[in-house]
Amino acid sequence: AQTVTQSQPEMSVQEAETVTLSCTYDTSESDYYLFWYKQPPSRQMILVIRQEAYKQQNATENRFSVNFQKAAKSFSLKISDSQLGDAAMYFCAYRRNQGGKLIFGQGTELSVKP
Amino acid sequence: DAGVTQSPTHLIKTRGQHVTLRCSPISGHKSVSWYQQVLGQGPQFIFQYYEKEERGRGNFPDRFSARQFPNYSSELNVNALLLGDSALYLCASSLLRGDSYEQYFGPGTRLTVT
Repeated sequence: AQTVTQSQPEMSVQEAETVTLSCTYDTSESDYYLFWYKQPPSRQMILVIRQEAYKQQNATENRFSVNFQKAAKSFSLKISDSQLGDAAMYFCAYRRNQGGKLIFGQGTELSVKP
Repeated sequence: DAGVTQSPTHLIKTRGQHVTLRCSPISGHKSVSWYQQVLGQGPQFIFQYYEKEERGRGNFPDRFSARQFPNYSSELNVNALLLGDSALYLCASSLLRGDSYEQYFGPGTRLTVT
């Protein structure tokens, strides 16, 4: 069975600084997708970034980028120039290529200090 | 276009009662998935429906059931409520199952069982 692990329950970053959130996963599949979702206090789960496992190039979305290490089964999220609005719970998630369900990690609560 | 909508926003029930949660997907989306998010944890997959048929089920007891209607909206039903059913219930819609299309989440229904 696939599993997703986020080992950092809480992280803190100074406004305008850079922070990296860690995620590891376990799967025997070769073709899959990895995601980072943001969940602010409003509870709405928002997709931040997506990575296809068959792509070697790391995904980037504005200030958000990932470091995808397929052999190590690691998928970290880097947030550059952190803003107060980045404060939220961040979830790493896995999905098989042929399966619709998302498997989530336990989450990392990010706080941003002004 | 409107996003995924869920009703009600909040709900308080007593142990042993039954509850029905509702979800309307984004227009054009034919797949709906349900997740349970217990406080402090990542969402857990409950069901996925596509074209009105169940296409996936998570590790939840038979007290949980769901259905999808011809207009692709969906209901999640929980019978004989337990205190442990208290959680945020998230609905997500996507265009198709088993491909690269992202799942878009609704704001959730907060269920409290007393």
